[in-house]
Amino acid sequence: GESVGLHLPTLSVQEGDNSIINCAYSNSASDYFIWYKQESGKGPQFIIDIRSNMDKRQGQRVTVLLNKTVKHLSLQIAATQPGDSAVYFCAEKGWSAGGTSYGKLTFGQGTILTVHP
Amino acid sequence: DAGVIQSPRHEVTEMGQEVTLRCKPISGHNSLFWYRQTMMRGLELLIYFNNNVPIDDSGMPEDRFSAKMPNASFSTLKIQPSEPRDSAVYFCASSLFVEQFFGPGTRLTVL
Repeated sequence: GESVGLHLPTLSVQEGDNSIINCAYSNSASDYFIWYKQESGKGPQFIIDIRSNMDKRQGQRVTVLLNKTVKHLSLQIAATQPGDSAVYFCAEKGWSAGGTSYGKLTFGQGTILTVHP
Repeated sequence: DAGVIQSPRHEVTEMGQEVTLRCKPISGHNSLFWYRQTMMRGLELLIYFNNNVPIDDSGMPEDRFSAKMPNASFSTLKIQPSEPRDSAVYFCASSLFVEQFFGPGTRLTVL
């Protein structure tokens, strides 16, 4: 029978354009969020993080925005380059079954970014 | 630092065989995570160790899966017996605080 997999959101941009990747998170108690980049054949790589007491954080060419009211996270990439093509995951720091916090991260399904030269 | 090291990078085996995946975390990190990634289910946490002790194994699919961390520099994930539906990329990650550093993964194919 036909297999059904995750249908990842996709974003295609031209080189030099700005990219915005969005993520909705589930746990209003999450206090820490990370964006990861995963290139083909590699493990996820840290890009940028943000704590829940902030609404914006900037890195080199990347900015993360956090809207706790609607539980929304976005990653903005300025002057997108072909090397930015990858799957991007947001992750939230979750809670164990016992209600205590440790380093467990819950990952979103990911967004495929394709940058055309 | 070499980062998180995983071996083998690729494993092809037949249904029913035992598979052992290995991980060396980054030196000094006190937490280690095993993940599985498939097209069907995305990235799933299987088990988490803190200071070599399993803390949360709620993601381990069934008794065929087991994980050990005999010391701070080594962990294994074992599947016995393996089944075709176990085919996936298995990642190991380590951390000291919250940020997790991922290894390159082991691509497992069970025929």
